[in-house]
Amino acid sequence: ETGVTQSPTHLIKTRGQQVTLRCSSQSGHNTVSWYQQALGQGPQFIFQYYREEENGRGNFPPRFSGLQFPNYSSELNVNALELDDSALYLCASSLGSTGLWETQYFGPGTRLLVL
Amino acid sequence: AQSVTQLDSQVPVFEEAPVELRCNYSSSVSVYLFWYVQYPNQGLQLLLKYLSGSTLVKGINGFEAEFNKSQTSFHLRKPSVHISDTAEYFCAVTPDRGSTLGRLYFGRGTQLTVWP
Repeated sequence: ETGVTQSPTHLIKTRGQQVTLRCSSQSGHNTVSWYQQALGQGPQFIFQYYREEENGRGNFPPRFSGLQFPNYSSELNVNALELDDSALYLCASSLGSTGLWETQYFGPGTRLLVL
Repeated sequence: AQSVTQLDSQVPVFEEAPVELRCNYSSSVSVYLFWYVQYPNQGLQLLLKYLSGSTLVKGINGFEAEFNKSQTSFHLRKPSVHISDTAEYFCAVTPDRGSTLGRLYFGRGTQLTVWP
């Protein structure tokens, strides 16, 4: 059973740029959630995808968007980067269709620094 | 709406001593509860979870937690800690129904530091 992987591990961007972060879910998992963890804070829910459809969104602006692909890999895109977007971005996968969604498996995260 | 309060931001303790990390939550609906651990420069690892049944839950690495519905608490305990337990610990909840089912709401974390 493969774990959740994320790429890249670290990234530096400048304000106003766009960024794409990638996540490969655990084998067989059809639900992926993305979280933002600012320094010294707990993770905050950005959005969730289930079978390629957005299935809930947290309090994040539209410049945060996502995609989930048929192979259950996913992307988080952030446009018009702001300094406050600097954070660790975590993805988590789970089995959404069999009642096991509540156990979310997290990847190691992508640390984004916006200058 | 759901919220989680971790009452201690930092807990220093000596090796082999017991430890309790406190977590209280607020929710208008029933919730599932979780504890995650985050080692430096790593993602989150599930320690244990409460879904239903016995209020005392045992997890990995010798940790356990007790769900107290009347006090809306889910405190994490370990009878004897090791240096390797040094990490950030996060308490989280998710509603067991409704439109926010599956979203995890996290506390701000408790840094556990174990000293030799």
